[in-house]
Amino acid sequence: EDKVVQSPLSLVVHEGDTVTLNCSYEVTNFRSLLWYKQEKKAPTFLFMLTSSGIEKKSGRLSSILDKKELFSILNITATQTGDSAVYLCAVGTGANSKLTFGKGITLSVRP
Amino acid sequence: DGGITQSPKYLFRKEGQNVTLSCEQNLNHDAMYWYRQDPGQGLRLIYYSQIVNDFQKGDIAEGYSVSREKKESFPLTVTSAQKNPTAFYLCASSMVGANVLTFGAGSRLTVL
Repeated sequence: EDKVVQSPLSLVVHEGDTVTLNCSYEVTNFRSLLWYKQEKKAPTFLFMLTSSGIEKKSGRLSSILDKKELFSILNITATQTGDSAVYLCAVGTGANSKLTFGKGITLSVRP
Repeated sequence: DGGITQSPKYLFRKEGQNVTLSCEQNLNHDAMYWYRQDPGQGLRLIYYSQIVNDFQKGDIAEGYSVSREKKESFPLTVTSAQKNPTAFYLCASSMVGANVLTFGAGSRLTVL
């Protein structure tokens, strides 16, 4: 059975802090790892990672994948209250685009 | 603007009633998906379809049914056989073979 584990499940930080969100996985036939941000409703796509060691960056957010140790991290620097959300990690496997999601990490950024 | 429209946003149902959630997309995506989200559980796959008139069960298909008569539409019926239907339901779509899903805004179903 494919498994995706995110940690911590929740955290509270203050504006300006840097946070690191973790995602580890055990799956067969790995294709990609994706990060989504969910603010109450529709998850929105952040990054897709397929190769080890190549950092993807978008503004204050960055992510990297380690296919040997089977994990990924999502970093957010200089956090803002607008970063408060649930961050979902998902792993794509097989040829049918099936995604297995982790339980999500609830991030609260206090002013 | 292209996107996915789910309706209704909120729905209340009495026990024993079937209810159908609508999902329409104008992204020209071939693949469509239904996920269920419960607090602390992440997203779990109910059904998915990669082509019109064909669909496959996901991890938690019991008590649900779907149809795919048109490329744009993938409605989900929550039947009375679903023992714990109160949840947030998300519809998504993608190009076939692509892992990046586009999600709708969700439908929140409450069984009274």
